[in-house]
Amino acid sequence: DIVMTQTPLSLSVTPGQPASISCKSSQSLLHSDRKTYLYWYLQKPGQPPQLLIYEVSRRFSGVPDRFSGSGSGTDFTLKISRVEAEDVGIYYCMQTVQLPPYTFGQGTKLEIK
Amino acid sequence: EVQLLESGGGLVQPGGSLTLSCAASGFIFSSHEMNWVRQAPGKGLEWVSFISTRGSTKYYADSVKGRFTISRDNGKNSLFLQMNSLRAEDTAVYYCARETDGGLDYWGLGALVTVSS
Repeated sequence: DIVMTQTPLSLSVTPGQPASISCKSSQSLLHSDRKTYLYWYLQKPGQPPQLLIYEVSRRFSGVPDRFSGSGSGTDFTLKISRVEAEDVGIYYCMQTVQLPPYTFGQGTKLEIK
Repeated sequence: EVQLLESGGGLVQPGGSLTLSCAASGFIFSSHEMNWVRQAPGKGLEWVSFISTRGSTKYYADSVKGRFTISRDNGKNSLFLQMNSLRAEDTAVYYCARETDGGLDYWGLGALVTVSS
């Protein structure tokens, strides 16, 4: 199974400041079709997860441009350029290059200072 | 608007059975692979099962293999998860999620399954 490791597991950010979350996979997420199957989700309190970023760096429909994703191979990063109050929740990375199983990172809890 | 609505959750005794349903609307259900993902209380996300568009290919997490069965009815735009031999560790909110090009792009609100005597 591909293990997804996120750091940090929690962070506290002042509104307007940037935030960054790292996700490392135990195997490359680059598929033979040249796509990299790495996704980022945000789970706001009491809600289901919502897709933010797909294929490393593509923002999903309606996602603000303050969210960006980068990386390749086994190392990936989610960045929020200016954190807002509505960004609180738990962020998860997920890989779908190998099935079964799809695997998630442990989650990173973002809170506002 | 894409909508996924789970139902069928509840309290069940250890060793019991339960079937979850997921009603899909707002998209061509038969064109999308579907998944179940669960979240134990206060824990992270755990992928449970995958089914292909026609239901011919199914995958399961090791933790549920042999006990859970995923299925779909494309004529009724519905996804199912039959859960047998339930254990306390199966207690979780179960989400159905649509898959598009490898990503789970839409999720339902979830159904709570509690396994307890």
